[in-house]
Amino acid sequence: AQKVTQAQTEISVVEKEDVTLDCVYETRDTTYYLFWYKQPPSGELVFLIRRNSFDEQNEISGRYSWNFQKSTSSFNFTITASQVVDSAVYFCALSEAGGTSYGKLTFGQGTILTVHP
Amino acid sequence: DTAVSQTPKYLVTQMGNDKSIKCEQNLGHDTMYWYKQDSKKFLKIMFSYNNKELIINETVPNRFSPKSPDKAHLNLHINSLELGDSAVYFCASSQPGGLAGGETQYFGPGTRLLVL
Repeated sequence: AQKVTQAQTEISVVEKEDVTLDCVYETRDTTYYLFWYKQPPSGELVFLIRRNSFDEQNEISGRYSWNFQKSTSSFNFTITASQVVDSAVYFCALSEAGGTSYGKLTFGQGTILTVHP
Repeated sequence: DTAVSQTPKYLVTQMGNDKSIKCEQNLGHDTMYWYKQDSKKFLKIMFSYNNKELIINETVPNRFSPKSPDKAHLNLHINSLELGDSAVYFCASSQPGGLAGGETQYFGPGTRLLVL
């Protein structure tokens, strides 16, 4: 069975600090996909990134970067020079390919990030 | 231009009532989902439909019945509402690629259901 763990329940930082959100996953599949979603205070779920299990290259998008390490089953998310607008709940999620999963997303518990001015 | 829309956005009702939540996507996707987010923000899948056919049915009480009149719509009907049904319900859609699963899911804005 697939499982995603985000051990950090809440993180509080001051603006311009860098912050890393941890995500550890479990799956028996060799083909799987990892995602990060952002849920701002307004409540919608915003897609941030998708990664497949065969692509371990790190990715950078502006102030956001992701570090995927299969050896430790981790897919961590770093925000550089955080801003107040980054305050949100961040979810890591896993989807297995094929079988009966058919795209089902298994979410972590979420990390509440608060960025103070 | 909303990609995935849900109505209503807020729903306040009494225990025992029956209610429906509607979802529509204009992305041309084949697969649609319902997720439930509880008071602790935990998100869990309820149902998935692919081209109007039920694919995933997690352990959800029979009082919840999804209906897909066409592949752009997936509605959720809830009978005999209970206090524990209070949550945010999210609809999502995706377009399966070569492998079943793994495509990005785009979410609607959520429907906040409060059962009194």
